[in-house]
Amino acid sequence: NAGVTQTPKFQVLKTGQSMTLQCAQDMNHEYMSWYRQDPGMGLRLIHYSVGAGITDQGEVPNGYNVSRSTTEDFPLRLLSAAPSQTSVYFCASSYSPGPWDSGNTIYFGEGSWLTVV
Amino acid sequence: TQLLEQSPQFLSIQEGENLTVYCNSSSVFSSLQWYRQEPGEGPVLLVTVVTGGEVKKLKRLTFQFGDARKDSSLHITAAQPGDTGLYLCAGNAGGTSYGKLTFGQGTILTVHP
Repeated sequence: NAGVTQTPKFQVLKTGQSMTLQCAQDMNHEYMSWYRQDPGMGLRLIHYSVGAGITDQGEVPNGYNVSRSTTEDFPLRLLSAAPSQTSVYFCASSYSPGPWDSGNTIYFGEGSWLTVV
Repeated sequence: TQLLEQSPQFLSIQEGENLTVYCNSSSVFSSLQWYRQEPGEGPVLLVTVVTGGEVKKLKRLTFQFGDARKDSSLHITAAQPGDTGLYLCAGNAGGTSYGKLTFGQGTILTVHP
């Protein structure tokens, strides 16, 4: 998991609370993304960014906001947490948003475990 | 939306056995990747295949991309306890899916000593 740092590692929220998951990379990657991982469902793309100031929605964007003010950082905001957002969240980055091949590897952070009660 | 169906979902075998994990879709992918994930960590890339019919080997692991670029397989020869983990396939369809990686549900492999 070279160079992708996620914080916090663990978080418990009450329904309706807001919070921000932080993601930073030090590899000067243009592409950054957020995934959530739920049992039996693999990883699902929430939002992604192809460069500073540019973001787009993935497969499951509802309930989440993102911004990309710098190349290094890509925070994920939960405005009003719901129990359905209990999950493990992964941030990932790569040099470019595709094609992903041996010259353009995606690196994942170690994950953030979020529980909403 | 491109879907990747991965099978089996669970695999429990003895050390020394061979196994194959499958990743299938009705969509064409411009590239397909296989990841391995350990508990408490993020996925780590094992291989990327980009050409239909391509076969890549990584020690005891053999990866194949289908001729039509709709399916892939991961074959492990003489599995070892250290191979235990979650294996994920992921694909990008290119075009309007630029920037989007679709994952299969994953295969949890347990290799018993």
